[in-house]
Amino acid sequence: AQRVTQPEKLLSVFKGAPVELKCNYSYSGSPELFWYVQYSRQRLQLLLRHISRESIKGFTADLNKGETSFHLKKPFAQEEDSAMYYCALRTGGGSNYKLTFGKGTLLTVNP
Amino acid sequence: NAGVMQNPRHLVRRRGQEARLRCSPMKGHSHVYWYRQLPEEGLKFMVYLQKENIIDESGMPKERFSAEFPKEGPSILRIQQVVRGDSAAYFCASSPQGMEDTQYFGPGTRLTVL
Repeated sequence: AQRVTQPEKLLSVFKGAPVELKCNYSYSGSPELFWYVQYSRQRLQLLLRHISRESIKGFTADLNKGETSFHLKKPFAQEEDSAMYYCALRTGGGSNYKLTFGKGTLLTVNP
Repeated sequence: NAGVMQNPRHLVRRRGQEARLRCSPMKGHSHVYWYRQLPEEGLKFMVYLQKENIIDESGMPKERFSAEFPKEGPSILRIQQVVRGDSAAYFCASSPQGMEDTQYFGPGTRLTVL
């Protein structure tokens, strides 16, 4: 069965500290993973996808198939990073990009 | 481009009534997804549609729920005879042909069933 687990409901760090938001997945096929972010009073938006191997707003995420993880990291957190973060796994095939989401982690970056 | 539009933003229904949720995808987007989010939960996939076709409805409850994406006009998620358990936030997302891996989300419709 496909499943995405984000073990931390809440995460609080101080500005300038490193931050890591954990994501583990369970999927029998070849995984495609995404991080979505929702800032206060804004709509959900794509942050990054593992296939692009990109860094967005200083965030990176590496797919570790051995540990079935896709943790989101940033070396120096900023106050504007405070938001709800969702890890998502693609579970559709072909042009179907239906996603299975984790429950989300609310990140608070304190001044 | 105004982004994905959903209306109404808030909808209150009494048990047994019908709820109609509308989603206008971004201009040029031909793929529409509907997700439901219960309190304290992540978004759960419901249905994936392309113009005039339901491609994947594996996440839709078998009864009372239906979806369409006509050739003209918005996509509609229809819930008949609503029950309290239908209270949730319903999100629509769209993506363009050739860039299906990027979904653009609407602001959601919050349905409350009294």
